[in-house]
Amino acid sequence: GQNIDQPTEMTATEGAIVQINCTYQTSGFNGLFWYQQHAGEAPTFLSYNVLDGLEEKGRFSSFLSRSKGYSYLLLKELQMKDSASYLCAVRSNRDDKIIFGKGTRLHILP
Amino acid sequence: DTGVSQDPRHKITKRGQNVTFRCDPISEHNRLYWYRQTLGQGPEFLTYFQNEAQLEKSRLLSDRFSAERPKGSFSTLEIQRTEQGDSAMYLCASSLIIGSGSNEQFFGPGTRLTVL
Repeated sequence: GQNIDQPTEMTATEGAIVQINCTYQTSGFNGLFWYQQHAGEAPTFLSYNVLDGLEEKGRFSSFLSRSKGYSYLLLKELQMKDSASYLCAVRSNRDDKIIFGKGTRLHILP
Repeated sequence: DTGVSQDPRHKITKRGQNVTFRCDPISEHNRLYWYRQTLGQGPEFLTYFQNEAQLEKSRLLSDRFSAERPKGSFSTLEIQRTEQGDSAMYLCASSLIIGSGSNEQFFGPGTRLTVL
């Protein structure tokens, strides 16, 4: 089976940096995704990691360690519009299915 | 707009009624997924299709739920004899599976179901 853990809520200040952690257990790993979801809207794709290391995309970076079953999403120069839920999701190599964590609600304070 | 679309966006129904939702994926995408999401939770996998073939259905899904993708394009999700516990956002997503790579899913806006 698969299990994904991430903090329920986090708070950060506009202009600062925040790191959202995700740990997972899976019977077969074939990639980890981060999605952003604003309240009442659909999730939108942020990043994908399948190999160990850091993937950088503008203000957002995502890191993966497969041996530790660990990932983080790093958000720099926080803006008010970054207030959203951030979903960690893992794809299985057995059935290609993607399982989502419960999401981390990020609150940005001015 | 060439993204994933879903219809209706909102549905209010009485307990015991049947409802059907439609999803139109991005046209060239061969994979289509249905998820259910409740407040404060991540999307919960329901079922998915590769073209017209339904590859897997969640064990959490009761027999009241059925999904089809008859021509490998749009898909429908039907819930029979709705219960109040079925109230949720139903999300559809599509992806293009072309071997290795992210093959990320693109989500539609969802159908919010309220069962009274």
